[in-house]
Amino acid sequence: GEQVEQLPSILRVQEGSSASINCSYEDSASNYFPWYKQEPGENPKLIIDIRSNMERKQIQELIVLLDKKAKRFSLHITDTQPGDSAMYFCAASAGANTGKLTFGHGTILRVHP
Amino acid sequence: EAAVTQSPRNKVAVTGGKVTLSCNQTNNHNNMYWYRQDTGHGLRLIHYSYGAGSTEKGDIPDGYKASRPSQENFSLILELATPSQTSVYFCASGFRDSDYTFGSGTRLLVI
Repeated sequence: GEQVEQLPSILRVQEGSSASINCSYEDSASNYFPWYKQEPGENPKLIIDIRSNMERKQIQELIVLLDKKAKRFSLHITDTQPGDSAMYFCAASAGANTGKLTFGHGTILRVHP
Repeated sequence: EAAVTQSPRNKVAVTGGKVTLSCNQTNNHNNMYWYRQDTGHGLRLIHYSYGAGSTEKGDIPDGYKASRPSQENFSLILELATPSQTSVYFCASGFRDSDYTFGSGTRLLVI
């Protein structure tokens, strides 16, 4: 099945700087790549996603990049704020149109004032 | 408001006992999923379903069974609970991969 690697596992940044999380996948048939944010004690919530027909997508301070050739995708948070501190998961669809997602192991982001 | 509701929120079970985790969704989604979340492993798929009466094995199905008696309900069953099954379990529903809605989670402790 699909495998998703996510790095780093812990990321500490200063408020106002940028944070980047990188993921790689194995299945070239994967066509959907969402990112989830999880606050402590809460459930994961979708924050941004990208499909394989796009290379870049931006929603406010969130930017996702997709390199299909390299099978890599990344999340970039610009102008980080303390409220961005959370666990972040990347995911990839397990093949095309299966409805299944394979998740990375997660990145704990800490934004320091 | 459409939602995914899990019960119980917290559960303590004894080793060898039977545990049933329940999930109800009002999203009218065909697909439902059970994941477990463990530190260092992220979210791993246990079982999933494409509709009432169907269940499919996910990536880590051993020790778990699933039941989908209706469009709205999807249960995860641990027939003989073990301490290694201590985890946080999330149910999710979706029409496609992009419509995932997660429940609030069930924290299970097996002693």
